[in-house]
Amino acid sequence: GENVEQHPSTLSVQEGDSAVIKCTYSDSASNYFPWYKQELGKRPQLIIDIRSNVGEKKDQRIAVTLNKTAKHFSLHITETQPEDSAVYFCAASKGGAQKLVFGQGTRLTINP
Amino acid sequence: KAGVTQTPRYLIKTRGQQVTLSCSPISGHRSVSWYQQTPGQGLQFLFEYFSETQRNKGNFPGRFSGRQFSNSRSEMNVSTLELGDSALYLCASSFAGALTDEQFFGPGTRLTVL
Repeated sequence: GENVEQHPSTLSVQEGDSAVIKCTYSDSASNYFPWYKQELGKRPQLIIDIRSNVGEKKDQRIAVTLNKTAKHFSLHITETQPEDSAVYFCAASKGGAQKLVFGQGTRLTINP
Repeated sequence: KAGVTQTPRYLIKTRGQQVTLSCSPISGHRSVSWYQQTPGQGLQFLFEYFSETQRNKGNFPGRFSGRQFSNSRSEMNVSTLELGDSALYLCASSFAGALTDEQFFGPGTRLTVL
């Protein structure tokens, strides 16, 4: 079945710097790749997603890139702020299914 | 619109007991998926229900089961509880059209098995 690897597991950056989190997936049929942010004690919330027919998507300070050939996708956060501190999860899905396979998560800490 | 709700928020059970968790999706959403979240295994897919039918299933033993009602509300049942079942159980709802849709998560039910 599908397997999603996420790196790094922890990431610490200075406020204002950029943060990059990378994920690789195993199933070439996967075609939907969301990113979720989970703050401590709260529910995961979608921050951005990308479908396989698009190589890049941007929403203000957040962007996601997808390389289908290499089967990896990345989350980029620019001009980081303290409220960006959270655990970020990547996920993959295929065939219009609502089954998400998640990466292990990245704990991002923004240092003021 | 009201968000996804889950009840109860916290549960403490002992080994061997069974438990039922409930999830009410966003109005108009037809799909409900369930996930188990633990520090060691992360977020793992349990199953998805759509129009009262299980449409997808993860790799969990048969002790984990679910159902969906005609109003799209869903329940999840775990029988013969084991210590390893202690986790945060999250449900997520989506409209579920032809493409994979954004899933909106509920606050979760924290299950502790003693």
